[in-house]
Amino acid sequence: EAQVTQNPRYLITVTGKKLTVTCSQNMNHEYMSWYRQDPGLGLRQIYYSMNVEVTDKGDVPEGYKVSRKEKRNFPLILESPSPNQTSLYFCASRRQGADGYTFGSGTRLTVV
Amino acid sequence: GQSLEQPSEVTAVEGAIVQINCTYQTSGFYGLSWYQQHDGGAPTFLSYNALDGLEETGRFSSFLSRSDSYGYLLLQELQMKDSASYFCAVKLVRGNTPLVFGKGTRLSVIA
Repeated sequence: EAQVTQNPRYLITVTGKKLTVTCSQNMNHEYMSWYRQDPGLGLRQIYYSMNVEVTDKGDVPEGYKVSRKEKRNFPLILESPSPNQTSLYFCASRRQGADGYTFGSGTRLTVV
Repeated sequence: GQSLEQPSEVTAVEGAIVQINCTYQTSGFYGLSWYQQHDGGAPTFLSYNALDGLEETGRFSSFLSRSDSYGYLLLQELQMKDSASYFCAVKLVRGNTPLVFGKGTRLSVIA
């Protein structure tokens, strides 16, 4: 089944403890992106990648890192999480030339 | 900055037609997309307009007027399962570029 897989689905962590949210797609898509969703703010882009080893900042990149060493994987790294990073995170991918993006099921992160 | 405006909430009756508007002010414009998101779920792609006019996909249609910086999503024969949030999103330039999303419209379908 063609899909974008995020892990974990739910995570509660403490301030300052480094964490990684994984994202993997099995559709050979070139483009991948991370969004965070907060009530009343919609979806805001954190980072995106146009292909392997090509990444760029979105609208809210502070406090996050990404890497794209393989085409299928695009992990989101929080080096020192803070409570204001408590949010619902989505990974998305798209084939070059396609109109729509496929989203993962989301990761609900709580930082206490 | 980028700005996409859509109503925060809309309520409509089962079987009726509802229109969700989106106006945008962005640094560039290549196309307008619509996504649906049910509570607790992931956004799913509905439609994309790059040219002016109406695109129809079953019960859903999407319209774009580039000169007015305006688009809408039209849902016909509303069903209870259409209760969800709907987001418009602008593609700023051609190619593999990010989407800028509106804040979403929560549609409630009532009996």
